[in-house]
Amino acid sequence: GAVVSQHPSRVICKSGTSVKIECRSLDFQATTMFWYRQFPKQSLMLMATSNEGSKATYEQGVEKDKFLINHASLTLSTLTVTSAHPEDSSFYICSAGGTGDNQPQHFGDGTRLSIL
Amino acid sequence: KNQVEQSPQSLIILEGKNCTLQCNYTVSPFSNLRWYKQDTGRGPVSLTIMTFSENTKSNGRYTATLDADTKQSSLHITASQLSDSASYICVVIPTDSWGKLQFGAGTQVVVTP
Repeated sequence: GAVVSQHPSRVICKSGTSVKIECRSLDFQATTMFWYRQFPKQSLMLMATSNEGSKATYEQGVEKDKFLINHASLTLSTLTVTSAHPEDSSFYICSAGGTGDNQPQHFGDGTRLSIL
Repeated sequence: KNQVEQSPQSLIILEGKNCTLQCNYTVSPFSNLRWYKQDTGRGPVSLTIMTFSENTKSNGRYTATLDADTKQSSLHITASQLSDSASYICVVIPTDSWGKLQFGAGTQVVVTP
């Protein structure tokens, strides 16, 4: 079935570092991908919608200059957390697909980001 | 206020037993309701998808029900296994915004031997 691959699965880095997370759709083309953030024991929260070939759409309260999204091809979207700080530590998940009523949105396995 | 409320927050059951998780939602209109299973440290995996006109959907030992009149859904797990230990998330997709999934906070299920 459809698979969304996310890389890396875990990142530990120092405060001030910029971190790039990749999200790939492995066997289908995705003109739209989604980036979520999840804190422990909480729901996934949509951060932004990544649109292939155009600017991402950010949810209210999400800083676009902090979380840079690039969707340069139909199978790859990247999220860059710029100048990361400890409060950016979280579980970041991407998804793609699910454009029809009976089509599930496929999620990546997430990236655990820890900023020291 | 969250438009998708799940109960209970957590649940401990013995292996082999059945359990039922609840989801109440206020999202309206909606195109479909989905249940996902999320293992610790992993992304959610789809279990069932129901359109607003469907009442029930099964996937192996998982059976989801939907009552669009009362805006309630349930997920029933039959003959639980240790591998069922996970968070189960109810997700509602608004009709006018298929990408803006409305997530419940999940029910954490722990199956013990």
